[in-house]
Amino acid sequence: AQSVTQLDSHVSVSEGTPVLLRCNYSSSYSPSLFWYVQHPNKGLQLLLKYTSAATLVKGINGFEAEFKKSETSFHLTKPSAHMSDAAEYFCVVRYSGGGADGLTFGKGTHLIIQP
Amino acid sequence: GAVVSQHPSRVICKSGTSVKIECRSLDFQATTMFWYRQFPKQSLMLMATSNEGSKATYEQGVEKDKFLINHASLTLSTLTVTSAHPEDSSFYICSARDSSPYTDTQYFGPGTRLTVL
Repeated sequence: AQSVTQLDSHVSVSEGTPVLLRCNYSSSYSPSLFWYVQHPNKGLQLLLKYTSAATLVKGINGFEAEFKKSETSFHLTKPSAHMSDAAEYFCVVRYSGGGADGLTFGKGTHLIIQP
Repeated sequence: GAVVSQHPSRVICKSGTSVKIECRSLDFQATTMFWYRQFPKQSLMLMATSNEGSKATYEQGVEKDKFLINHASLTLSTLTVTSAHPEDSSFYICSARDSSPYTDTQYFGPGTRLTVL
């Protein structure tokens, strides 16, 4: 069975400081991993994805994530937070089986940016 | 980038009525679309996988007679909440997977907020 654990429900950082959003996954085989962002009353936007290529994945808006198989982690980072980064972030794993190809979402991390 | 639309964005209905939500891929074809449900301040839960031209695949615990899914074309899937009750009030989000070769990204719609009175 696949699962995703986002270790922090809320993260608060000051503008201009680094961001770290933690994610651990459980999968019986090599997963595809994603980070999505959801701004209030908006749809989900793909930030980046890992699909067994380079372990360090660069995404949009300065975000990146590193796939660490030994730690089963896929933490999201950004060197310098911007006010516009305030949103809900979801770590997601994709599974395949029985014709289904849905995504399993973590519970989300609410990122708060302090001025 | 690829765009997925949902209509309506908000709907309020009386208990016992049925509500249809449309999900469209605007600039790509999607043989597979997905329907998710999101409760306030919670994560998205996959409800069902919608396959063009065939029956939808429902996740465990999701009533297929309650949530009717139709995927009649490569760009449109509909979710009908039948005999809606207040507990069906939620944020419903669809996604569409690009059918093009070498891509497997899912693109999400903006969601539909359903309120059942």
